[in-house]
Amino acid sequence: GAVVSQHPSRVICKSGTSVKIECRSLDFQATTMFWYRQFPKQSLMLMATSNEGSKATYEQGVEKDKFLINHASLTLSTLTVTSAHPEDSSFYICSARDFRRDPEKLFFGSGTQLSVL
Amino acid sequence: AQSVAQPEDQVNVAEGNPLTVKCTYSVSGNPYLFWYVQYPNRGLQFLLKYITGDNLVKGSYGFEAEFNKSQTSFHLKKPSALVSDSALYFCAVETGSTLGRLYFGRGTQLTVWP
Repeated sequence: GAVVSQHPSRVICKSGTSVKIECRSLDFQATTMFWYRQFPKQSLMLMATSNEGSKATYEQGVEKDKFLINHASLTLSTLTVTSAHPEDSSFYICSARDFRRDPEKLFFGSGTQLSVL
Repeated sequence: AQSVAQPEDQVNVAEGNPLTVKCTYSVSGNPYLFWYVQYPNRGLQFLLKYITGDNLVKGSYGFEAEFNKSQTSFHLKKPSALVSDSALYFCAVETGSTLGRLYFGRGTQLTVWP
């Protein structure tokens, strides 16, 4: 079946540094990818919609200068957490739809646990 | 605004017993409803969906869910629980006006003991 690969699975960084997370659709083209954030024992919160070849659409309250999204190709979207701070520590998950196989189903990456010291 | 409520943080059942994980929703427009399961340190896996048609939908691993429009509910059920069903379950909603953007409940931790 369709697979979404997310890398890295875990990253620890110092406060003030930037971290890039990659999300790839392995066997299908994804014109749209979604980035979610999950705090411990809480729900997934949609952060932004990544659109191939155009600017991302951010949900209300999400700082677009803080969470930079780039969707340069049909199989790759990246999320860069800029000048990370401890409050940015969270589990980040990407997802994508394979519109040819099943447009109603989202496939999720395995997530990235970010810890900012 | 779209929202999903999962009133139980935790559900505990004995293996072999039926299980129910509750979900209610609030949307403007017709809802598209989903259940996903998450294992520790993993992404989410799709279980089942309701888009239109029969109110009872069957999904992966023997799970099913019933769409109840009058009660705005979409409870997840399984007739006989397995220890391997223990995981975190999320209900999610999408509408025509928010197509592609899922809104999730806070999740329910299911524990099935032997």
